[in-house]
Amino acid sequence: AQSVTQLGSHVSVSEGALVLLRCNYSSSVPPYLFWYVQYPNQGLQLLLKYTSAATLVKGINGFEAEFKKSETSFHLTKPSAHMSDAAEYFCAVSEFTNRDDKIIFGKGTRLHILP
Amino acid sequence: GAVVSQHPSRVICKSGTSVKIECRSLDFQATTMFWYRQFPKKSLMLMATSNEGSKATYEQGVEKDKFLINHASLTLSTLTVTSAHPEDSSFYICSARDRIQRKETQYFGPGTRLLVL
Repeated sequence: AQSVTQLGSHVSVSEGALVLLRCNYSSSVPPYLFWYVQYPNQGLQLLLKYTSAATLVKGINGFEAEFKKSETSFHLTKPSAHMSDAAEYFCAVSEFTNRDDKIIFGKGTRLHILP
Repeated sequence: GAVVSQHPSRVICKSGTSVKIECRSLDFQATTMFWYRQFPKKSLMLMATSNEGSKATYEQGVEKDKFLINHASLTLSTLTVTSAHPEDSSFYICSARDRIQRKETQYFGPGTRLLVL
């Protein structure tokens, strides 16, 4: 069964600094990987997704993530943090086989932006 | 982009009553919808997969008689929390898969905050 592990339940970065949110996955088949963002009391918004095409995936709001099979990682980065990036971020995985097409979410990382 | 709505956005009810939450795909047809539960400061837990015209598939540990799911049309799924108790208080989020798009494309609703007194 697939799973994701997000390292760090809270991450704080200064405004303008690099954002790095870590995600490692486990999957028995080539996975689909996602990053979602959730603002307080709202649903989830898709930032980006990896679907076995390019390993470097660019998303919205300046975020990108790189799929590294050898490290089973899909870390999320943004070169320069903005105050509006403060939110909860979820990494997710799915295998989308005929038997299983669920998306499994990590526990989330809350990103704090320091002025 | 595709829009999924949920109604109500928040509801407060007394213990023992039933609450119905609606999930609608507004501009696409969704053969499959998913219901998630999110505890405070926790991740999303998949409760069940709802397929139009058939019975929902529940995840292990989720009581199907407690959380009734109906997916009667291609644009509407409902979750009814029966005989709600304070421990059912949570944030419930649905997502919908567009019938004609790739499988990995899911659109999430804004969530429903349920508080059971």
